[in-house]
Amino acid sequence: ETGVTQSPTHLIKTRGQQVTLRCSSQSGHNTVSWYQQALGQGPQFIFQYYREEENGRGNFPPRFSGLQFPNYSSELNVNALELDDSALYLCASSQGRSEYFGAGTRLSVL
Amino acid sequence: GQSLEQPSEVTAVEGAIVQINCTYQTSGFYGLSWYQQHDGGAPTFLSYNALDGLEETGRFSSFLSRSDSYGYLLLQELQMKDSASYFCAVRDIDSGYSTLTFGKGTMLLVSP
Repeated sequence: ETGVTQSPTHLIKTRGQQVTLRCSSQSGHNTVSWYQQALGQGPQFIFQYYREEENGRGNFPPRFSGLQFPNYSSELNVNALELDDSALYLCASSQGRSEYFGAGTRLSVL
Repeated sequence: GQSLEQPSEVTAVEGAIVQINCTYQTSGFYGLSWYQQHDGGAPTFLSYNALDGLEETGRFSSFLSRSDSYGYLLLQELQMKDSASYFCAVRDIDSGYSTLTFGKGTMLLVSP
């Protein structure tokens, strides 16, 4: 158990819709990162939040946005969904050198 | 940019030893991590090397050579439950924040 929980576990959306994924981090971990993992690939860094501010972003368009809350929970929002957004979305909280991942949300875009 | 290379698949039998190699090209290198991921599950942290040499944790060991931009994960006394995907990931510092860049993963299949 990593202490990081994500919801929902599975989600089906259609192209053009918007989606919000949620993550509850380990208590005391003030950094949360989101990753996208396509089938058969390694996780790709989307962005990172530290103390409720975005402090780093990977190669993802602005329609991927996020929030981090004072209670260590966070959200990933994706607007105008595209078919290629179908993937496993992972949240990871960290303090120090280790990142602890949640089990992810499997998003399917039809 | 960053890139990591690792074999796509490795097969072995129970009780054997297997080594999964990882080479990387990156700027701002801070350390090399290894993660295990069972099908549909969360990546689980296995080990981290910031300095050259071997780190041992039970049946798993990890090695790093910074001068060669190379590392490996060594799994001993293989068990069926070790069948999973293994990812090497570089931790780097970019513009003041630390993040992980993952390889594409190595699927390890352990047979009886």
